[in-house]
Amino acid sequence: QVQLVESGGGVVQPGRSLRLSCAASGFTFSSYTMHWVRQAPGKGLEWVALISYDGSNKYHADSVKGRFTISRDNSKNTLYLQMNSLRADDTAVYFCVGERIRQINMATIQSFDYWGQGTLVTVSS
Amino acid sequence: DIQMTQSPSSLSASVGDRVTITCRASQSISSYLNWYQQKPGKAPNLLIYAASSLQSGVPSRLSGSGSGTDFTLTISSLQPEDSATYYCQQSYSTPRTFGQGTKLEIK
Repeated sequence: QVQLVESGGGVVQPGRSLRLSCAASGFTFSSYTMHWVRQAPGKGLEWVALISYDGSNKYHADSVKGRFTISRDNSKNTLYLQMNSLRADDTAVYFCVGERIRQINMATIQSFDYWGQGTLVTVSS
Repeated sequence: DIQMTQSPSSLSASVGDRVTITCRASQSISSYLNWYQQKPGKAPNLLIYAASSLQSGVPSRLSGSGSGTDFTLTISSLQPEDSATYYCQQSYSTPRTFGQGTKLEIK
């Protein structure tokens, strides 16, 4: 079955860096667009970044642009999020997400079908 | 960016009730609208994609409708296991924005 397992979270001081990883199994990782979505404590879901199946296209939310970088290694079935210059408001559970694409009535429909369990990042001095 | 607004932010209903949650987009998104359910301490789970298509394994008492800017998620007969927070999300454009969530409690 599909599994996405995040790791790398923890407590980090403001201004420091952290790299999250997401190990994928049970599906053809190299064919899927992947995302990071985060959720601050007691808050809603916030999309963070996406990377195309081959890594050629990347997009980041304005809130993390210039500080976070999404990447992937298809040979290792692993997704990454490099987080630099961390701030207190980056404190959140970070979810790794696999996007499924369906063709419906000549439209290309994307949805977040596969989610990891999340890893908690706490930015605090 | 496309803004997604859900209403209500929270609601309380009884087992067997019919419940409706609405989601409004700041511009037309055709049918590029998904609904997710999240229970405490868990990852979200896809319920409905393309505004009205039920994800495999999701009970048929849940349904979605709408297109353009206005969408609804309906639970026809509320069950105890439906207690959760529900999010809409647009997949029309990047960034893939979510609504702020609707917390559904069982009386």
